[in-house]
Amino acid sequence: DGGITQSPKYLFRKEGQNVTLSCEQNLNHDAMYWYRQDPGQGLRLIYYSQIVNDFQKGDIAEGYSVSREKKESFPLTVTSAQKNPTAFYLCASCSLIEAGGYTFGSGTRLTVV
Amino acid sequence: GESVGLHLPTLSVQEGDNSIINCAYSNSASDYFIWYKQESGKGPQFIIDIRSNMDKRQGQRVTVLLNKTVKHLSLQIAATQPGDSAVYFCAEKRMNTGFQKLVFGTGTRLLVSP
Repeated sequence: DGGITQSPKYLFRKEGQNVTLSCEQNLNHDAMYWYRQDPGQGLRLIYYSQIVNDFQKGDIAEGYSVSREKKESFPLTVTSAQKNPTAFYLCASCSLIEAGGYTFGSGTRLTVV
Repeated sequence: GESVGLHLPTLSVQEGDNSIINCAYSNSASDYFIWYKQESGKGPQFIIDIRSNMDKRQGQRVTVLLNKTVKHLSLQIAATQPGDSAVYFCAEKRMNTGFQKLVFGTGTRLLVSP
C-alpha cells in the first residue's frame, strides 16, 4: 500500500540533544512538509520541500533543520536551539502535478525529559 | 488564514443531529479547498474537497459549501455519530502555480455526545 510513514511514534529527548524524526513516502510525491502541532492547537509549518536537494523555511523554522537527499525521504532534526520542542510533529506529502491535498503521516510525539 | 496556534473552538452536538463547521479563508485567489478530520494522536485525514468553480459538493454524510463572495467554507455532517468526534481543519490552496502550499484554518473540535 502506498503511504507516508513517520518514525518513531514516540520520542524522548534530553535537554541539549539533537534528535531526528524520520518521514518516508512511497507515493511518488514531489513535495513534502513538516508541521508542528501543540496540544489543542492547529498546524504550524516548519519546513517544506518541492524537489530533491531544495527546501524552504516555513513559519517556525528556528531550531529545526531538514534535508531532502531523496525524493522519498524528508527527515527533520530538532536541534538544541529549539527551546520548546515538546509537540506533535506531522509530516505530509503531495503531488505537484495532480489535484489533491496532502497525505499525512501518523505523527511523532516528541517529549523533552 | 495561517494557523497561528490559537486554541480550538468547540462545537458540541447530540448524536443524530446535523453538524455544521465553518471556516473563513484568507486568499481570494485560492481555488481549491479541503476538509480534514484529525482524531486524537493521529494525523489529519482527507474528508472532502471542492474546487472554486463549484459551490457545493456532497460525499457520504458530508457536504461542503463554498461561498466565494464572503470567502467562507462550511462542512455539514449529517446524522452525526460519536465516531465523528475529532478536530476538523479546513485548508485552502492555489492551484496551477509554482508554489504549492496548503494554508490551514485554526480547526474546530467537534464533540458528539450519545
